[in-house]
Amino acid sequence: QKEVEQDPGPLSVPEGAIVSLNCTYSNSAFQYFMWYRQYSRKGPELLMYTYSSGNKEDGRFTAQVDKSSKYISLFIRDSQPSDSATYLCAMLDDKIIFGKGTRLHILP
Amino acid sequence: KAGVTQTPRYLIKTRGQQVTLSCSPISGHRSVSWYQQTPGQGLQFLFEYFSETQRNKGNFPGRFSGRQFSNSRSEMNVSTLELGDSALYLCASSLIPNPGPLGDTQYFGPGTRLTVL
Repeated sequence: QKEVEQDPGPLSVPEGAIVSLNCTYSNSAFQYFMWYRQYSRKGPELLMYTYSSGNKEDGRFTAQVDKSSKYISLFIRDSQPSDSATYLCAMLDDKIIFGKGTRLHILP
Repeated sequence: KAGVTQTPRYLIKTRGQQVTLSCSPISGHRSVSWYQQTPGQGLQFLFEYFSETQRNKGNFPGRFSGRQFSNSRSEMNVSTLELGDSALYLCASSLIPNPGPLGDTQYFGPGTRLTVL
């Protein structure tokens, strides 16, 4: 079993919809959780990070961590075509472990 | 302030050759990490350097090596290239290693696309 599992998609949703992106993990030692966004032909950029369980909101983005279920989510409200990208979850142990990424397409 | 730069951006090599990739971190950043990104395996950690010392290494064969210079610039080398080494190689820099818990951010470069024929 991989340490971090993420559905690769692609996920296509209409503009304005709420998007839900998810990852599961197996290592209960993970304490720090991150979401990166990667546009085509670019390196990943950090969107949000959270520590331990709970929610964190930043504009249209909400990151949620459920440590009891080993499950993290990223919600995007009022999705825009510019949100079309690959979203990678990541977790920190002694190094950063990434999910494989979910390709998201927002349809105008 | 300039971002992380990687050279070259694209590279084509043949099996058995060796390759050296370069990364210049953001000014003031002393930690540099390297990753390999492929469609099948995703983003995988190669190694991390801080103040010219390798702090951490991923599960890659010894053909993959790296180093960091006193100005924090880093190079990675892959010897005896195999077809499976075709990937996007990403470099990321940060002020300190494992930046997450202290709220620092790791910044990625655009990557070097390596194709092995």
